[in-house]
Amino acid sequence: AAGVIQSPRHLIKEKRETATLKCYPIPRHDTVYWYQQGPGQDPQFLISFYEKMQSDKGSIPDRFSAQQFSDYHSELNMSSLELGDSALYFCASTRTGGFEAFFGQGTRLTVV
Amino acid sequence: GIQVEQSPPDLILQEGANSTLRCNFSDSVNNLQWFHQNPWGQLINLFYIPSGTKQNGRLSATTVATERYSLLYISSSQTTDSGVYFCAGEGLYNNNDMRFGAGTRLTVKP
Repeated sequence: AAGVIQSPRHLIKEKRETATLKCYPIPRHDTVYWYQQGPGQDPQFLISFYEKMQSDKGSIPDRFSAQQFSDYHSELNMSSLELGDSALYFCASTRTGGFEAFFGQGTRLTVV
Repeated sequence: GIQVEQSPPDLILQEGANSTLRCNFSDSVNNLQWFHQNPWGQLINLFYIPSGTKQNGRLSATTVATERYSLLYISSSQTTDSGVYFCAGEGLYNNNDMRFGAGTRLTVKP
């Protein structure tokens, strides 16, 4: 069965650079979530999209933006990267209305 | 968003022992799930359990929605059960806002 696909799997960037993370949800899933997980931490909710519109917003820094496209894939854009942005970034997808969410394998971002 | 509390934060077991992990929610929730994060960081779905009881092999889970808690039972634990167990849920009136607890780090010793 198709799963949530995230790319790239690993990314190394320098401070002040930009990064774009991509997420391809499971087919027919209309909702995408983004999470940031620092070392030894739980996943922190950043932002979600339903039917290509922003649905809810968590602790997403102003330097980050995201969107969901017409094919339902989503991108997380991160600018002016800081050392503290080094983390595992997860995307999850679901069908809204009481269905199980599934996670991608994550993108490990290292800012040096 | 809702607040999610998990207990205990850490648990060390001998192989073969049983354990119970607990998750409390600050408000009524939808879409309650349990995950296991393996050593490679992957989040594995264990249960989707907004209410009731489910079993899958040595694992089972119970959610009492009216009392805002869920329990994950692990029986006859194995070393491969080690890792971090997370519960997550969305507020009943605030969809698309799935929040995680801090996790329970389980270590099963041979």
